[in-house]
Amino acid sequence: NAGVTQTPKFRILKIGQSMTLQCTQDMNHNYMYWYRQDPGMGLKLIYYSVGAGITDKGEVPNGYNVSRSTTEDFPLRLELAAPSQTSVYFCASSYTAGASGGELFFGEGSRLTVL
Amino acid sequence: GEDVEQSLFLSVREGDSSVINCTYTDSSSTYLYWYKQEPGAGLQLLTYIFSNMDMKQDQRLTVLLNKKDKHLSLRIADTQTGDSAIYFCADPPGGGYQKVTFGIGTKLQVIP
Repeated sequence: NAGVTQTPKFRILKIGQSMTLQCTQDMNHNYMYWYRQDPGMGLKLIYYSVGAGITDKGEVPNGYNVSRSTTEDFPLRLELAAPSQTSVYFCASSYTAGASGGELFFGEGSRLTVL
Repeated sequence: GEDVEQSLFLSVREGDSSVINCTYTDSSSTYLYWYKQEPGAGLQLLTYIFSNMDMKQDQRLTVLLNKKDKHLSLRIADTQTGDSAIYFCADPPGGGYQKVTFGIGTKLQVIP
């Protein structure tokens, strides 16, 4: 079972460049999330989606955009990369919202460095 | 999201018990979770407890919940080197995971 797949695993960007982090899940989950994890800072929610066509901002959305055209895919776009976006990015999905017993399934992460 | 606080670091000897503590502020969630993150990987669900329970045992894992004090703990019996990881508690409030805040996590180091 593939679960949640993220690509690329590693990327180095120059300041001002754009890129898209890809995320796909094969579990038919409605809910998908993007987190960033910085050293000593824990996980911060960037954007989330409760279903195809519906997205909303999380705690730290500035500098990012998302789309959810299908249930399976939830790409995260960085338009003008900045050093502050150097981080490890995790995509996750869940069948339910979590308050009623749902598990979050995480991808393996994408390590992004902006120089 | 709500606030979650955990101790940053715990070091134990192999074979000893580990206790990882978590305090939370939002008491509206039905379930509380423990996630484990091994080096270079994403988080994986370790165990969870229904909010009406005080304790849940799952093999070497014991979860204790004190709702009055909003305190959650994870005890790992006979800790092994493979238990070395970062442990996160999660308390999705009534709004679900989009409202949850994962804390910094507790890094467990197991000394052989």
